[in-house]
Amino acid sequence: DTAVSQTPKYLVTQMGNDKSIKCEQNLGHDTMYWYKQDSKKFLKIMFSYNNKELIINETVPNRFSPKSPDKAHLNLHINSLELGDSAVYFCASSPLGSYEQYFGPGTRLTVT
Amino acid sequence: AQRVTQPEKLLSVFKGAPVELKCNYSYSGSPELFWYVQYSRQRLQLLLRHISRESIKGFTADLNKGETSFHLKKPFAQEEDSAMYYCALSGGATNKLIFGTGTLLAVQP
Repeated sequence: DTAVSQTPKYLVTQMGNDKSIKCEQNLGHDTMYWYKQDSKKFLKIMFSYNNKELIINETVPNRFSPKSPDKAHLNLHINSLELGDSAVYFCASSPLGSYEQYFGPGTRLTVT
Repeated sequence: AQRVTQPEKLLSVFKGAPVELKCNYSYSGSPELFWYVQYSRQRLQLLLRHISRESIKGFTADLNKGETSFHLKKPFAQEEDSAMYYCALSGGATNKLIFGTGTLLAVQP
């Protein structure tokens, strides 16, 4: 099944913890992204990697660190979680040079 | 500044009525414009892109550079059209998408 997949789907954790969200795409795309969708459904780009190289970093706190072990994977690690980090995080990918992006199902992060 | 504005948070129409979801953008250059849709409990997916000029699920969108608009239209709404619709633009070297705040379309029976 060709797609963008994310794990876990739901993540509930306490303030101060460190957590990771994983993303994998088997579409052969070169570029991958992380977006944050807040409680008002506003979608904002956080990071983008092109063939394992960081190309977009949108003024995201240092507690967020993306890691791309290969071009099919882009993981998001979050240190010292805060209440405001509660959101749905979407991974996406696109072919090189294409504006069309394919989204994962999202990971709903709840920080208590 | 690059910006996408969707003035309506919620648009409620009856089945069979025409639908227009508004989108205006601000971009110094020639952006690519898109409409993405998120059905309940599903992932965000591309609905339309302006350069393809096609109709998907009965929806069309025309880029009006003079008015910097890219409104989404459908002549007869169906209940299955109920979803969150995002207008987005992309431009420049990084291909990042800048999304509007979204419009929730609710089609009543």
